[in-house]
Amino acid sequence: ETGVTQTPRHLVMGMTNKKSLKCEQHLGHNAMYWYKQSAKKPLELMFVYSLEERVENNSVPSRFSPECPNSSHLFLHLHTLQPEDSALYLCASSQDAGSGANVLTFGAGSRLTVL
Amino acid sequence: GQNIDQPTEMTATEGAIVQINCTYQTSGFNGLFWYQQHAGEAPTFLSYNVLDGLEEKGRFSSFLSRSKGYSYLLLKELQMKDSASYLCAVKNSNYQLIWGAGTKLIIKP
Repeated sequence: ETGVTQTPRHLVMGMTNKKSLKCEQHLGHNAMYWYKQSAKKPLELMFVYSLEERVENNSVPSRFSPECPNSSHLFLHLHTLQPEDSALYLCASSQDAGSGANVLTFGAGSRLTVL
Repeated sequence: GQNIDQPTEMTATEGAIVQINCTYQTSGFNGLFWYQQHAGEAPTFLSYNVLDGLEEKGRFSSFLSRSKGYSYLLLKELQMKDSASYLCAVKNSNYQLIWGAGTKLIIKP
């Protein structure tokens, strides 16, 4: 496989469930990201990992918990979510976390619906 | 605050030319990106501008004016497959990416 792969593509969960989103990149990149995409809103950066260390956390509620076990894998653990958390969750990777011309490669996203 | 403005939706005809504008107000500037996102798919990189002027890449061109805080994406010889959302993003002085809400482009035959 090439690029950035996200699973599952679709997820429906109740507010009391615990689930996880998975992201895998096969590009040899050093940085990985979680973004939230809601309809007609700008992408919201949630977490950034560089060389498996979290370098940025944009005040995300604790019901979202990221995990980066190695530079190729990124997880987003979900616990007691709210209906307003329903959105498309995009994973991305890039060669490095900083620098100017840092192009992001995105996965196709996990569409999350919280009932 | 920091913000990126781009039209919510545009409609154009197959074979025509369309220009999607993006204006920005950010704390510093380290480059501007355009991404394309087809419905249900991943955003994909289109262009990067850091200096003023026009960058041409086949049917797509991107223009930047740093003094005006302005960019546009120009799509020529439109094809039905160009129907997608186009996302503008600016990297600020802290190398944070600030995103616009995207422009949904509808191509009609």
